[in-house]
Amino acid sequence: GAVVSQHPSRVICKSGTSVKIECRSLDFQATTMFWYRQFPKKSLMLMATSNEGSKATYEQGVEKDKFLINHASLTLSTLTVTSAHPEDSSFYICSAIRLAPEQFFGPGTRLTVL
Amino acid sequence: QKEVEQNSGPLSVPEGAIASLNCTYSDRGSQSFFWYRQYSGKSPELIMFIYSNGDKEDGRFTAQLNKASQYVSLLIRDSQPSDSATYLCAPTGEDSSYKLIFGSGTRLLVRP
Repeated sequence: GAVVSQHPSRVICKSGTSVKIECRSLDFQATTMFWYRQFPKKSLMLMATSNEGSKATYEQGVEKDKFLINHASLTLSTLTVTSAHPEDSSFYICSAIRLAPEQFFGPGTRLTVL
Repeated sequence: QKEVEQNSGPLSVPEGAIASLNCTYSDRGSQSFFWYRQYSGKSPELIMFIYSNGDKEDGRFTAQLNKASQYVSLLIRDSQPSDSATYLCAPTGEDSSYKLIFGSGTRLLVRP
């Protein structure tokens, strides 16, 4: 299947700092990527849709100034959690569409904010 | 509000049996329906998707879709202990964005 990578896989940071998570499609170009968040024992919640060359589309209730998304190329989208707080601790997962509508997920990034 | 309902389980089946996972959805405009498997602490893995009414088979997996009843299911034949995971049902919305709406998942336990 298609390969989507994320970096880092795990990050621990202090409250108030910013964290950048990268999502890459390794063997295909992805004009659209998605960012999800998953809390323990909960399902995935879509945060935003990342479109190459344009602004991200955020889901209702997601603060766009806190979760900055940049999709600068057809193989890379980044999510920056700004001024992270303990309640932002979660499992962040990206996905990419290779051939619509198939969507493949990255391995996820576990963020812990102290 | 668009909803996807799944029985949280756990659904326990013996090794070699057929596991049947069910899902109902509220958005009549949904076009495609995905099944993902998620192991604890890992990200979802795509099993298969279906967009036409009826059955679609892929190896030991069969997806069934009934749009009139807003119901989609996944059958796993010859269940193996390695199939023990949470299975997520995810329809797309009616728009062309391919956004997925995830259910809370059904935990499957295959007993050796």
